[in-house]
Amino acid sequence: DADVTQTPRNRITKTGKRIMLECSQTKGHDRMYWYRQDPGLGLRLIYYSFDVKDINKGEISDGYSVSRQAQAKFSLSLESAIPNQTALYFCATSDRSVAAGNEQFFGPGTRLTVL
Amino acid sequence: GIQVEQSPPDLILQEGANSTLRCNFSDSVNNLQWFHQNPWGQLINLFYIPSGTKQNGRLSATTVATERYSLLYISSSQTTDSGVYFCAVGYNTDKLIFGTGTRLQVFP
Repeated sequence: DADVTQTPRNRITKTGKRIMLECSQTKGHDRMYWYRQDPGLGLRLIYYSFDVKDINKGEISDGYSVSRQAQAKFSLSLESAIPNQTALYFCATSDRSVAAGNEQFFGPGTRLTVL
Repeated sequence: GIQVEQSPPDLILQEGANSTLRCNFSDSVNNLQWFHQNPWGQLINLFYIPSGTKQNGRLSATTVATERYSLLYISSSQTTDSGVYFCAVGYNTDKLIFGTGTRLQVFP
């Protein structure tokens, strides 16, 4: 079984709808991240969380919110989806230990289309 | 903020050829990762290599942190190596900054 899972894997929605993307991990990592990838570009950080009570904005957080329900779960919400939020969304995790060196591990991605 | 540049942007090879992909970064880093994004969009961790050299089968990577670059070597390329290769770096935080990638196409 995959260590980092994302649901749904694909989603088509309409402008103005509220959407939630979910991420779960079995790696036991404290740190979780949400990234967005636009066509032809690298990933950009939306939000990240170091533990259940710690949420931080990334470089492109406008229009998004997150919830860290448990150590293993981190959800991304689009309160009112717009077409330019059409993208591939990735969840990632990392271990806080110095020995782990902050290597990040990524889920399979969610392809979101906003019409 | 830190800048990450990858070259070449596109690479076309015939099966069996070797290649070198380069990643330059503009500041000191304590995290550097190489990823392969396959045609289905999945990101696969290749190397965690903030410094030094590592090898995994036909792939190897070298990071020279003092000169702010990393190289990914692919030997005896196969069609399954096709996709986009990303370099990503982090510095004093847990955030990864991604380059724009090298798109590799390997033909039989």
